[in-house]
Amino acid sequence: EIVMTQSPATLSVSPGERATLSCRASQNINFNLAWFQQKPGQAPRLLIHGASTRATGIPARFSGSGSGTEFTLTISSLQSEDFAVYYCQQFNNWPPAFSFGQGTKLEI
Amino acid sequence: QVQLVQSGAEVKKPGSSVKVSCKVSGGNVKNYGLSWVRQAPGQGLEWMGGIMAALRAANYAQKFQGRVTITADESTSTGFIEVNRLSSEDTAVYYCAGGSLYSGGKYHFDHWGQGALVFVSS
Repeated sequence: EIVMTQSPATLSVSPGERATLSCRASQNINFNLAWFQQKPGQAPRLLIHGASTRATGIPARFSGSGSGTEFTLTISSLQSEDFAVYYCQQFNNWPPAFSFGQGTKLEI
Repeated sequence: QVQLVQSGAEVKKPGSSVKVSCKVSGGNVKNYGLSWVRQAPGQGLEWMGGIMAALRAANYAQKFQGRVTITADESTSTGFIEVNRLSSEDTAVYYCAGGSLYSGGKYHFDHWGQGALVFVSS
């Protein structure tokens, strides 16, 4: 089973600044990595898939990078609505199986 | 536009079973990959398993093998998850999530249901 580890657990950043969130896989997952945003009381929302492709409607200030075992989500110029919990997710090709990191809370 | 609409909250006794539904509105579950993810109070996301109706294939996280069954009804475009032998540790919000199949069996979690709270207590 592939284990996903996110760091830091909590990240404190001011509005307008840049936030960098990290995700590490316990083995090579190529580009099979997605990022999600979750706000209190809401379902998660897909931000990035394929490690770096923004999902439909996601603002350009969200960007993903990395491959293999090391991945990064960068949010440039944080807006008030960006403060939330972020999860990374990996998937196996076949059969499709998924696992999530434990999450990073982005706070003001 | 695809929407996933889940059944409502459930209160269950330990040892019983629960079945949660997820209707794929505006799409066809036949061409869809559908997964189930749960979130215990104050905790992170946990993938339980998924199904690709077109391929008649369901697979499960090892932790849930033998205790969880995921199915799909193409006639109503609805997915289901049944969890047996419930305990208090199964108290969580259960989400369905999925997207259109591509490359012969891959999908992203483009769409999410609103979540269904399952509360297990004696």
